[in-house]
Amino acid sequence: IAGITQAPTSQILAAGRRMTLRCTQDMRHNAMYWYRQDLGLGLRLIHYSNTAGTTGKGEVPDGYSVSRANTDDFPLTLASAVPSQTSVYFCASSERLAGSNEQFFGPGTRLTVL
Amino acid sequence: GQNIDQPTEMTATEGAIVQINCTYQTSGFNGLFWYQQHAGEAPTFLSYNVLDGLEEKGRFSSFLSRSKGYSYLLLKELQMKDSASYLCAVRDNDYKLSFGAGTTVTVRA
Repeated sequence: IAGITQAPTSQILAAGRRMTLRCTQDMRHNAMYWYRQDLGLGLRLIHYSNTAGTTGKGEVPDGYSVSRANTDDFPLTLASAVPSQTSVYFCASSERLAGSNEQFFGPGTRLTVL
Repeated sequence: GQNIDQPTEMTATEGAIVQINCTYQTSGFNGLFWYQQHAGEAPTFLSYNVLDGLEEKGRFSSFLSRSKGYSYLLLKELQMKDSASYLCAVRDNDYKLSFGAGTTVTVRA
């Protein structure tokens, strides 16, 4: 693994099904983030974690949950998917420090809910 | 909360200069980032400003005025590969980023 990975790459899901999007980083970053990206709306923060064992709600958290059992993994779960959750999902990680500590993004998961 | 505005689209000719403006109103400010995103790919970091002034990095420069809530990204000597979306993002005091909707730049031959 080099950097940050996400799985699956894409998924078509029936409404009402449960789905977990996986995210793993090997940079030992303390902070991790989940975004969704929709046309015309840009990247919106769903949930974040400042360090292992803690999580927080972002701008659009409803319908999603996360956990951060260790430094490397930050899965995002849709308990009961709805069509409005059709989007491209990006996971990111960074050092939670001042300065130019940019967020590094995974390749994304394209999710379609029918 | 954060309110971040940038133009939706810009078109320029190969070899030209393009300036992408970003204005923001924020409840906390801990730096401004510009990211580049090619179609179907992840965003990648371009530049960071936290103090007023110009930061230059090769063909790309970024400017910040904190008092005006204003930044711009300047792309010089445009190349076809610069066709992409450019995202302005403000970091708050909890190190979270809020993104503008992005500016799609099309470079024409």
